[in-house]
Amino acid sequence: SYDLTQPPSVSVSPGQTASIPCSGDRLGDKYVCWYQQKPGQSPVLVVHQNSRRPSGIPDRFSGSNSGNTAALTISGTQAMDEADYFCQVWDNSIVVFGGGTKLTVL
Amino acid sequence: EVHLLESGGGLVQPGGSLRLSCAASGFTFSSYTMTWVRQAPGKGLEWVSTINRSGTRTYYGDSVKGRFTISRDNSKNVLYLHMSSPRADDTAVYYCAKEWQEMASWGQGTLVTVSS
Repeated sequence: SYDLTQPPSVSVSPGQTASIPCSGDRLGDKYVCWYQQKPGQSPVLVVHQNSRRPSGIPDRFSGSNSGNTAALTISGTQAMDEADYFCQVWDNSIVVFGGGTKLTVL
Repeated sequence: EVHLLESGGGLVQPGGSLRLSCAASGFTFSSYTMTWVRQAPGKGLEWVSTINRSGTRTYYGDSVKGRFTISRDNSKNVLYLHMSSPRADDTAVYYCAKEWQEMASWGQGTLVTVSS
C-alpha cells in the first residue's frame, strides 16, 4: 500500500506564510490534491493537480510537488485559515489520504 | 449547483447491517465516478469505496473489503453503501463525494455508531 506522511501540526502567525508538507515515495510522479476541513464541516478541495485552485479558492493558497514531497502553501495566512488540512493521491486504483495537519494561526 | 445528501446513519449493533444512501442532484449523476470516505471521531479521512459511472467496477479500502458493498442507481441518482458485519472501529461520519482522483464536492456526512 502507499503511505502519505504529514506533520500533526503547524503553527503560523497572522499575515505570515504557512507551509504544510506531505511526503510519499516518488510523490512527484503523482497528482496531489489538498483539502481544508474546519470543525464540524465537510472537507473542501483547495488545491488539485498539485497546484491548481478550484473556482472560489483564494489565490493565497498554492501547491507544489516534486521528488518525494508535496506542499500546500498559504501566503498571508488569515485567522479563517485555521483548520485541518489533508493531502490525497490516487494511486493504482486506490485513494490515499495523509494523516492530516492541524494549522494553528496564532 | 452540486448537492449530495447522505442518509441512513444511526446506531447499529456489531455484526448487524446498515445501508447508507447519498442522493445526488445538480449534475449528471450517471457521468461520474462516486466515492465514500469516512472519518472516525477526532481522526483523519479514510477512503472507503469507489464505484465507476455504470456501476460495473467497484473498489474498496482494505479495512472494509469483503464487508461493505458499494452500489448505485443511476435512474434515481442515488449512491449506496451497504455495511455488513460492522465493527466498533467502523464508527465514523460517512461522506459521499463526487469522483475520486480529486473530490470537489462532498455531502454533509451521516454518522454511523457501531455499539451494542
